[in-house]
Amino acid sequence: GEDVEQSLFLSVREGDSSVINCTYTDSSSTYLYWYKQEPGAGLQLLTYIFSNMDMKQDQRLTVLLNKKDKHLSLRIADTQTGDSAIYFCAEIKNRDDKIIFGKGTRLHILP
Amino acid sequence: DADVTQTPRNRITKTGKRIMLECSQTKGHDRMYWYRQDPGLGLRLIYYSFDVKDINKGEISDGYSVSRQAQAKFSLSLESAIPNQTALYFCATSDSGITKTKYNEQFFGPGTRLTVL
Repeated sequence: GEDVEQSLFLSVREGDSSVINCTYTDSSSTYLYWYKQEPGAGLQLLTYIFSNMDMKQDQRLTVLLNKKDKHLSLRIADTQTGDSAIYFCAEIKNRDDKIIFGKGTRLHILP
Repeated sequence: DADVTQTPRNRITKTGKRIMLECSQTKGHDRMYWYRQDPGLGLRLIYYSFDVKDINKGEISDGYSVSRQAQAKFSLSLESAIPNQTALYFCATSDSGITKTKYNEQFFGPGTRLTVL
């Protein structure tokens, strides 16, 4: 189908690692993305990964890509209260350059 | 200064009224998009435009229309608003030209919260 799937909620204790998982649909997608939406704001690109990579690390963020299973994950190390947001997984449809978003995972930080 | 602006930020209207949401951008991007966000449903594409005079339907275009008056402006209209169009609406832009980010980043406005009573 056309859906990018991700769980809707995740609760993590402050200081622990958060792992948000996603499955996408198009094995030919060139790029896969993680967007972050903070309360009351629009989405902002957090990170992306090119499809010929299987891992990308950027400070506290680690993106893992399993092309065989069409599985993408975002790991946030040492989760902070400022990481509380909705995280959207997304893929690009190369045939028409449209970006398909998942439903978003709301990350809740426990004290 | 915000690169992508939306007006109004909040709007409450009644069933049957005509509503227009405006989006302006100063990024010089050629591509613009309108999305709708509902709790638990994520972002759904309503319409998109790859240039002035280019209009394309997204996955949920029924009940909506758009106008791309200039490269910097993309407006969304609800001809006769109904309660199930209550949602958060986002405009976004991206650049297909030689200066584009190769990974096709989209830049979002702050959103318009629309309530139809």
